[in-house]
Amino acid sequence: QTVVTQEPSFSVSPGGTVTLTCGLNSGSVSTNYYPSWYQQTPGQAPRMLIYSTDTRSSGVPDRFSGSILGNKAALTITGAQADDESDYYCVLYLGGGIHYVFGTGTRVTVL
Amino acid sequence: QVQLVQSGAEVKKPGASVKVSCKASGYTFTNNYMHWVRQAPGQGLEWMGIINPSGGSISYAQKFQGRVTMTRDTSTSTVYMELSSLKSDDTAVYYCARSGGESMNFDHWGQGTLVTVSS
Repeated sequence: QTVVTQEPSFSVSPGGTVTLTCGLNSGSVSTNYYPSWYQQTPGQAPRMLIYSTDTRSSGVPDRFSGSILGNKAALTITGAQADDESDYYCVLYLGGGIHYVFGTGTRVTVL
Repeated sequence: QVQLVQSGAEVKKPGASVKVSCKASGYTFTNNYMHWVRQAPGQGLEWMGIINPSGGSISYAQKFQGRVTMTRDTSTSTVYMELSSLKSDDTAVYYCARSGGESMNFDHWGQGTLVTVSS
């Protein structure tokens, strides 16, 4: 079974930096998996932040950045703000019969 | 601007079926695939499948094969997701989400439809 793993939670101070990761139980994450990242606040639909590993979606502040770190996809928030407090999900395109798998999600607290 | 407007909340009994609609506007409907994603209460996001509004081709996640049917109506720019043989653990918010083309992403989302399965 394909599992995409994220850290369950992170706490970051206002103005601080936090890096969330997105790993694959069957191997390394590469750009071929088109990793994308989504922010979700309670009761709201997700919002796309980053796609194709490192491309920011329109209107997304530049404090959000995406990359590949080692064998995982990563989302970095630099200069965290209070309204960054949300759940964050990655998703990988695996193709074939599996297609897309969402990560387990990371809850970010800013305090 | 791109808008995806979904149908309202549903309450169904176990064993029944539910059909959720997603009406698209603000872009050419047949230019972008559409995903369906669900989220059980307090849980993460789960990909269900994808439909091509242009040719009608469909791919379903293995978990839902045989139980889900995705269709589209190009005359009304609407996609539909029908889930049958409902169980209590199908209780979730169901989202449609537009695919951003070759970038394999989910660039715009509907507001979500809560489906509650309860006897």
